[in-house]
Amino acid sequence: GENVEQHPSTLSVQEGDSAVIKCTYSDSASNYFPWYKQELGKRPQLIIDIRSNVGEKKDQRIAVTLNKTAKHFSLHITETQPEDSAVYFCAASRSGSARQLTFGSGTQLTVLP
Amino acid sequence: DGGITQSPKYLFRKEGQNVTLSCEQNLNHDAMYWYRQDPGQGLRLIYYSQIVNDFQKGDIAEGYSVSREKKESFPLTVTSAQKNPTAFYLCASEGRGDGNTIYFGEGSWLTVV
Repeated sequence: GENVEQHPSTLSVQEGDSAVIKCTYSDSASNYFPWYKQELGKRPQLIIDIRSNVGEKKDQRIAVTLNKTAKHFSLHITETQPEDSAVYFCAASRSGSARQLTFGSGTQLTVLP
Repeated sequence: DGGITQSPKYLFRKEGQNVTLSCEQNLNHDAMYWYRQDPGQGLRLIYYSQIVNDFQKGDIAEGYSVSREKKESFPLTVTSAQKNPTAFYLCASEGRGDGNTIYFGEGSWLTVV
């Protein structure tokens, strides 16, 4: 089955700096890679996703890059703000269906004012 | 914000008791899911249902049971056979036609006392 590893487990950055979180996956057939943000005690919310037919996707201060050859994808947050502080999860799936989603272990991002 | 309601938010269970977590959605989604979240770990799939009156085991189904008698409802029972039930439980549903985006409920905290 799929195995997703996420690094780092914790990340602290100064407000205004960039943050990068990386995930590697094992199943070369995976083709859908979402990222979720979860604030303490709240539901995870999809912030960006990418499919295997593109290498990069941006949405304002957030971007995701995908390297299919190396089987890794990364979340980039620029100009970080205190409200970006949360746990971020990556996931990978063959079909895009949630029944096949495998999640990473999460990264606790803290943005220091 | 998602149209998925979980209850109760907090639940305490005594040893040997069964408890049931409620999950209701008004998004007209066919697929529904239950995940378990433990500190420092990603989400793990307990059970899922693709259609009414049908459900399948996920990766960690032992000690849990579900039913899907109505499209809107997918309750999870944590039985006394689940030896380590203290966790955060998330229900989710999946829409079609919008990239199979998964929507999460607010979650339920279950603690064994």
